[in-house]
Amino acid sequence: EAQVTQNPRYLITVTGKKLTVTCSQNMNHEYMSWYRQDPGLGLRQIYYSMNVEVTDKGDVPEGYKVSRKEKRNFPLILESPSPNQTSLYFCASSFITKPGQGPGELFFGEGSRLTVL
Amino acid sequence: DQQVKQNSPSLSVQEGRISILNCDYTNSMFDYFLWYKKYPAEGPTFLISISSIKDKNEDGRFTVFLNKSAKHLSLHIVPSQPGDSAVYFCAASVRYGGATNKLIFGTGTLLAVQP
Repeated sequence: EAQVTQNPRYLITVTGKKLTVTCSQNMNHEYMSWYRQDPGLGLRQIYYSMNVEVTDKGDVPEGYKVSRKEKRNFPLILESPSPNQTSLYFCASSFITKPGQGPGELFFGEGSRLTVL
Repeated sequence: DQQVKQNSPSLSVQEGRISILNCDYTNSMFDYFLWYKKYPAEGPTFLISISSIKDKNEDGRFTVFLNKSAKHLSLHIVPSQPGDSAVYFCAASVRYGGATNKLIFGTGTLLAVQP
């Protein structure tokens, strides 16, 4: 079954304690991305990756790191979490389309709800 | 600066009637517009899209209308069913770096279809 898998689904942590949210996709997608969803703000992009070892900042990258050592995995790292990073996080992946084509369909994981105390 | 806006946080509709979800945007460079649907405790899933060179796209009960002069699009669901109750995100796409599309999402509209 084609899917994007995130772990953990729920996490409560404390300020400053490093954590990693894993993301894995089995569709051989080149493009992977992390979003956070907050009330009244919708989905905002944190980081994205066009392929292995190619990552770039999205709209709200502060306080986050990512890596793309393998095509299927795209972990999100919070080196020193703070309460303003309490949010619902989504990983997504898609194929990269050619110029003139529409965007590749984004497949989302089920989300990871993070609470930072 | 919210480039994609969904001004109605929620909408309630009777089963069998039409649901109309609205979305406004500011960037004339957007080349595709999409709707994603999200159920509780699940990730968003793609619903329907429209190219900026078209004004209508239909897929079964779902139709998206685009008014470029007004920078406005809408999603019509006819007839609405209780299973359509979900959060609907409008998204707009722009090519960046010549390589892929960036999606900018709106804030979402919670649709409740009453039986």
